Amino acid sequence: KNEVEQSPQNLTAQEGEFITINCSYSVGISALHWLQQHPGGGIVSLFMLSSGKKKHGRLIATINIQEKHSSLHITASHPRDSAVYICAVRFDDKIIFGKGTRLHILP
Amino acid sequence: DTGVSQDPRHKITKRGQNVTFRCDPISEHNRLYWYRQTLGQGPEFLTYFQNEAQLEKSRLLSDRFSAERPKGSFSTLEIQRTEQGDSAMYLCASSLTAHEQYFGPGTRLTVT
Repeated sequence: KNEVEQSPQNLTAQEGEFITINCSYSVGISALHWLQQHPGGGIVSLFMLSSGKKKHGRLIATINIQEKHSSLHITASHPRDSAVYICAVRFDDKIIFGKGTRLHILP
Repeated sequence: DTGVSQDPRHKITKRGQNVTFRCDPISEHNRLYWYRQTLGQGPEFLTYFQNEAQLEKSRLLSDRFSAERPKGSFSTLEIQRTEQGDSAMYLCASSLTAHEQYFGPGTRLTVT
């Protein structure tokens, strides 16, 4: 059983649509990360959350510690947002990654 | 450039050969992590250093794998007697605290 589950696995949307990617986890965590991975493989950290909500530009990340759930939202999506979005949780000194959500935004 | 760098970016090798990858972390970061990512999967933890001490190794790190960080700065990951199953992206990350990690571009290994 995966300790970090993401949904959907793949998502194709039209430019401008509001995007939601979900992450559920089964362990007690000290922090949750949302990462963006581009086709070349490079990973960029988008957010680190331990509670509540964070916003950066068109990206919003929320976390509900009681429900062990986090969401990443993209408003006014754009083709350049096309990437794999990975949820990762930290507990003890370990990080466990989800398998990622492959997002494709069509122009 | 002050980010995490990895070298080489791509490596193609024949089965049975040894390969070594290098990671240069952000200069003041004392923690360094190695991950492996296979196609369609999220990264998997391999090992972690705090300064020069290797504090944790995953069971994924078989005895063919060895990692070092001799002076607490750059790190190397060596794979001996490579197998086709070793084909993956090898990612390095560094951090100053126990939370925020900064990733390098990765080394893509193909074993033929």
